[in-house]
Amino acid sequence: GDSVTQMEGPVTLSEEAFLTINCTYTATGYPSLFWYVQYPGEGLQLLLKATKADDKGSNKGFEATYRKETTSFHLEKGSVQVSDSAVYFCALKAGGGSYIPTFGRGTSLIVHP
Amino acid sequence: EAEVAQSPRYKITEKSQAVAFWCDPISGHATLYWYRQILGQGPELLVQFQDESVVDDSQLPKDRFSAERLKGVDSTLKIQPAELGDSAMYLCASSFMGQKNTEAFFGQGTRLTVV
Repeated sequence: GDSVTQMEGPVTLSEEAFLTINCTYTATGYPSLFWYVQYPGEGLQLLLKATKADDKGSNKGFEATYRKETTSFHLEKGSVQVSDSAVYFCALKAGGGSYIPTFGRGTSLIVHP
Repeated sequence: EAEVAQSPRYKITEKSQAVAFWCDPISGHATLYWYRQILGQGPELLVQFQDESVVDDSQLPKDRFSAERLKGVDSTLKIQPAELGDSAMYLCASSFMGQKNTEAFFGQGTRLTVV
């Protein structure tokens, strides 16, 4: 079945450091890929998405490129802020009719001043 | 800005009691999802509705869980009887249509603690 694998956290960085959170997937067909962010005690918010191979999603300084050849969708940011501290979830919607969003386990990011 | 509304935000219940959660999706969103999120893990789908019809409930523990969306708008998820292992965050999400390219919009969730 469809699945998403994320790097384990927590990822701990100093402010202004470069961020990479790895995400790889297994899916039938050509899925759409998403990154969501969850702040403590809150629901998930869409951060960015890409719907076809080689698309780059971007928002709030975060970027991710849909790499079909490596089945990856790694999240990057050039300079993180303390306010970026949250849990980040990679997700996909694949074919099969019902297009159920499938999520990874999440990666916690902690940014220190 | 339109939001997915969920209530209550927090619920503490005793083992073997019944508990219910309510969700009101964004107006016009035909697709509604209920997810369960255990602390430290990603959301796992319990049930998906398209309008008032169940599309997928293969992961819903039907001996104790039920979900309905009678008029194709708001939805209720019920647990009876609750067990200790049901303690989790229950998230409702909606999307305009259940298509591959459309994202899901999440509510703030209901944090359930079973004691």
